[in-house]
Amino acid sequence: KNQVEQSPQSLIILEGKNCTLQCNYTVSPFSNLRWYKQDTGRGPVSLTIMTFSENTKSNGRYTATLDADTKQSSLHITASQLSDSASYICVVSRGSNYKLTFGKGTLLTVNP
Amino acid sequence: DTEVTQTPKHLVMGMTNKKSLKCEQHMGHRAMYWYKQKAKKPPELMFVYSYEKLSINESVPSRFSPECPNSSLLNLHLHALQPEDSALYLCASSQTPGEGLYEQYFGPGTRLTVT
Repeated sequence: KNQVEQSPQSLIILEGKNCTLQCNYTVSPFSNLRWYKQDTGRGPVSLTIMTFSENTKSNGRYTATLDADTKQSSLHITASQLSDSASYICVVSRGSNYKLTFGKGTLLTVNP
Repeated sequence: DTEVTQTPKHLVMGMTNKKSLKCEQHMGHRAMYWYKQKAKKPPELMFVYSYEKLSINESVPSRFSPECPNSSLLNLHLHALQPEDSALYLCASSQTPGEGLYEQYFGPGTRLTVT
């Protein structure tokens, strides 16, 4: 079954701290993996997209890693800011761009 | 311009009403999508339009009727909805629906409440 599992479900950290979110997937065939940030009541915004051959990709303070052998990805956020408070969703593409399997997301809260 | 716009932002409708959601993009994308997202759940794909033609219908009830008048516009017509249809409706677009690393750009969504 094509699934994307994320952990933790929720996370609370203090402003300025780093954190790492995890994503495990069983989606097949694998095409690419995406991380989205979604603010409450808003549409998701893409942070990174990685293919099978990419191990790491950065976007500012966000760094995503991918291990296609173990089917795991992580999203590392450095020097967190209050505006990082959002849900972070891991999405795996099964080939075509509409064949996306979404994880349930990790709800991150950054407190002052 | 990497923006997908959606109107209205909020909509409250009765079960006998007819209403429409509107989505617009000016990025030249040829694929457009409708998603439904319930609270604390991931988005669920409803429809995919490719080159203004409906290519995917994920077994969505007929009370939801999509329309793509041109390459920039996507509508979702609503009729005789149920309270369980209350959700955030997201529109997205991408260069094509096919193979490739084409990012899906999402709109801000329409918060729909059916009373």
